[in-house]
Amino acid sequence: DGGITQSPKYLFRKEGQNVTLSCEQNLNHDAMYWYRQDPGQGLRLIYYSQIVNDFQKGDIAEGYSVSREKKESFPLTVTSAQKNPTAFYLCASSGRLVMNTEAFFGQGTRLTVV
Amino acid sequence: SQQGEEDPQALSIQEGENATMNCSYKTSINNLQWYRQNSGRGLVHLILIRSNEREKHSGRLRVTLDTSKKSSSLLITASRAADTASYFCATDGSGYSTLTFGKGTMLLVSP
Repeated sequence: DGGITQSPKYLFRKEGQNVTLSCEQNLNHDAMYWYRQDPGQGLRLIYYSQIVNDFQKGDIAEGYSVSREKKESFPLTVTSAQKNPTAFYLCASSGRLVMNTEAFFGQGTRLTVV
Repeated sequence: SQQGEEDPQALSIQEGENATMNCSYKTSINNLQWYRQNSGRGLVHLILIRSNEREKHSGRLRVTLDTSKKSSSLLITASRAADTASYFCATDGSGYSTLTFGKGTMLLVSP
């Protein structure tokens, strides 16, 4: 089945720790995205990548890092510099120009700081 | 930056009624998309309407776009309890290579 997979579904982080969220797609999409969702805030763009080995900051990139070494994979690291990381994280993928095509979303990772 | 803003924030109706949600945006767009999100899940694409289109249908969904008013509406006809979800509009983001989402409308359909 083609799709986009995020793991884990739930993640707990201690203060000061870095954690990495996984996102894998087998849709042969060029573009991948990370969004953060807080209650009542909608989706905010963290990072996006249009092609392997290239990525761009979104609206709220501070405290996050990404890599795009393979077309299928776009992991997100939440670093200790992110002061309020508790949120629901969504990964998406699409064709190169997402304005002309639909984006496919994973089922999300809920990150909680303990 | 959030381009689209949905209205109302929340909507509660009975099964069989129609539900209308609105989206307003600030700058010119190429296309506008609507997505649905069930609680605690990822978003699912519903429909894409291009800037040169005024209306589009998909099953029980009807989307309109008024570029002069910078607004769009999503109508769900004959709603069902299974339509309970949040609905988001999305517009072109930076360099047309990203989507910018509004805060969404939370729809509750009661049996």
